[in-house]
Amino acid sequence: QSALTQPASVSGSPGQSITISCTGTSSDVGGFNYVSWYQQHPGKVPKLMIYEVSSRPSGIPDRFSGSKSGNTASLTISGLQAEDEADYYCMSYRRGSTPYVFGTGTKVTVL
Amino acid sequence: QVQLVQSGAEVKKPGASVKVSCKASGYTFSDYFMHWVRQAPGQGLEWMGWINPYSGTTYAQNFQGRVTVTRDTSTRTTYMELSGLRSDDTAVYYCARESNRAHDSWGQGTLVTVSS
Repeated sequence: QSALTQPASVSGSPGQSITISCTGTSSDVGGFNYVSWYQQHPGKVPKLMIYEVSSRPSGIPDRFSGSKSGNTASLTISGLQAEDEADYYCMSYRRGSTPYVFGTGTKVTVL
Repeated sequence: QVQLVQSGAEVKKPGASVKVSCKASGYTFSDYFMHWVRQAPGQGLEWMGWINPYSGTTYAQNFQGRVTVTRDTSTRTTYMELSGLRSDDTAVYYCARESNRAHDSWGQGTLVTVSS
């Protein structure tokens, strides 16, 4: 059960926008609208940022947005802020014997 | 508010088993699935399995035969037991509540160290 593919790192300056991709297959990302995104600061617990591809939980700023095209989901952070520096993971529901799979993770650096 | 409180850190020898608990509060326990996720040092997140409100379970293929998730509704506690521990099972283990096919609340994590 291979993980979803994310870039190892993405960086941007304060105020800029960045996009993190999450590539899977038609059995996971492409086949279901059950992609979620998690932010994890060093030594901290993961935090849900986006669910069902593009929905934001209460309290998550609208600077965070999600989308999907084919087998690739994306998380966009607009108006990048210093506190956005963290690791980000996507997760998708998957058809098969292992129903959930995480992405490889992306380290976001604010320059 | 939703709270998931996990048991404390464990040190185990190779071949042993570990059982981690996750006590829930602040919501209707019987309405939600609970998942288990682990993270090895410096590594990414790995999905391990879930238990539904009726105690039905599904496990990741990588853990089949080694992991058992159970729940006790009377104490609002979910348990994850991993057997046949190896050094590469050293990780932080998280419980996480499922909502809308996502993990909306997480426990604080339990570090399990496997060392001879």
